[in-house]
Amino acid sequence: QSVLTQPPSASGTPGQRVTISCSGSSSNIGSNAVSWYQQLPGTAPKLLIYSTNERPSGVPDRFSGSKSATSASLDISGLQSEDEADYYCAAWDDSRWVFGGGTKLTVL
Amino acid sequence: QVQLQESGPGLVKPSQTLSLTCTVSGGSITSHNYFWGWIRQPPGKGLEWIGRISTSGSPRYNPSLGSRLTISLDTSNNQFSLELRSVTAADSAMYYCARTIVGVSGWFESWGQGTLVTVSS
Repeated sequence: QSVLTQPPSASGTPGQRVTISCSGSSSNIGSNAVSWYQQLPGTAPKLLIYSTNERPSGVPDRFSGSKSATSASLDISGLQSEDEADYYCAAWDDSRWVFGGGTKLTVL
Repeated sequence: QVQLQESGPGLVKPSQTLSLTCTVSGGSITSHNYFWGWIRQPPGKGLEWIGRISTSGSPRYNPSLGSRLTISLDTSNNQFSLELRSVTAADSAMYYCARTIVGVSGWFESWGQGTLVTVSS
């Protein structure tokens, strides 16, 4: 059971907009920034969003993050086939880092 | 661009100690503003933070693992290491090392490719 709650799956067709949610509590998302990671099949996770809504260089601006109270969201606009991957949210929680259980995004 | 590479045995017997090393290239392990950490992922499951060590050698561990865990820094070889004692099958996972930005609002900036560890007799 993960501390941060994500839907196990999401899907969309090419060009669509998809939102992945991440629900936490006052001790994690409610107090600290959120980061998001993309894990393509058979590879290590890769930083996608940091400080809740910042993109590292090289990450397309189709990816954006936001937060409200104790929940965070990852938005992917203009969905592409290469976006098919697992997505994880993360935040600091009192004395440890915690992750969401991951959302498997399928591009139909 | 910093690169991280995990190394260590892929098979460990139950009750023994799992030992892994992360070699850092393209940057110094003593650079400020970074922590050096470990994250694991059981097959088909999600990510779990194991712990991290600061550039001054101060560790911080996941409370769920803390009593079995040691993370240490080897500045002469630009490496950091993980030791997990008394392993069971539940410790079988892909183990990743990562460079973490300092602070409660930090993030896992760079990851190694991971090394698969299986606990089995």
